[in-house]
Amino acid sequence: GQNIDQPTEMTATEGAIVQINCTYQTSGFNGLFWYQQHAGEAPTFLSYNVLDGLEEKGRFSSFLSRSKGYSYLLLKELQMKDSASYLCAVVDSNYQLIWGAGTKLIIKP
Amino acid sequence: DGGITQSPKYLFRKEGQNVTLSCEQNLNHDAMYWYRQDPGQGLRLIYYSQIVNDFQKGDIAEGYSVSREKKESFPLTVTSAQKNPTAFYLCASSILGREGSPLHFGNGTRLTVT
Repeated sequence: GQNIDQPTEMTATEGAIVQINCTYQTSGFNGLFWYQQHAGEAPTFLSYNVLDGLEEKGRFSSFLSRSKGYSYLLLKELQMKDSASYLCAVVDSNYQLIWGAGTKLIIKP
Repeated sequence: DGGITQSPKYLFRKEGQNVTLSCEQNLNHDAMYWYRQDPGQGLRLIYYSQIVNDFQKGDIAEGYSVSREKKESFPLTVTSAQKNPTAFYLCASSILGREGSPLHFGNGTRLTVT
């Protein structure tokens, strides 16, 4: 079967750095997305990786290793508004999106 | 501003009643999707459509129906056959055929059936 694993919940301090991991076992790979979702709201697109390496976009960076089936989202200079769930999704060989259950990030002052 | 609108935000129904959730987009996207989100689980695909008057079942289509009569609209009907309909429903759209094209989501409809 296909599987995406993310930690259920993480806690970090305002101003710090946090890394949210995502490991996947899927039938093929055609890219990986990260989305942010505040409680009761729409998921919003953060990043897309299809090649190995680090993609940086402001305070957020996303890393991919296809050989390890692994990605992480790195959030720097954490702000209270970063408290949200972070969803990892993989595009499989049929170009279908397989979603992880999401990681709830709690930011403390 | 372009976007996706889902209505209503909250919906309450009695068991045995069908209910229709609205989804409208003005992004000119060809593809539209319905997902269900339950606590502790990843998004699960109910139905999707890549062109007007055509749609495909997703992983959990049983007890649901859709229509795509217009490019902008993709309503979802939750029928009385759906055994566990209480959930958060998300509609999304995307551009077709462009690698890395992300989904754009509506703000969701929380359906409670008692």
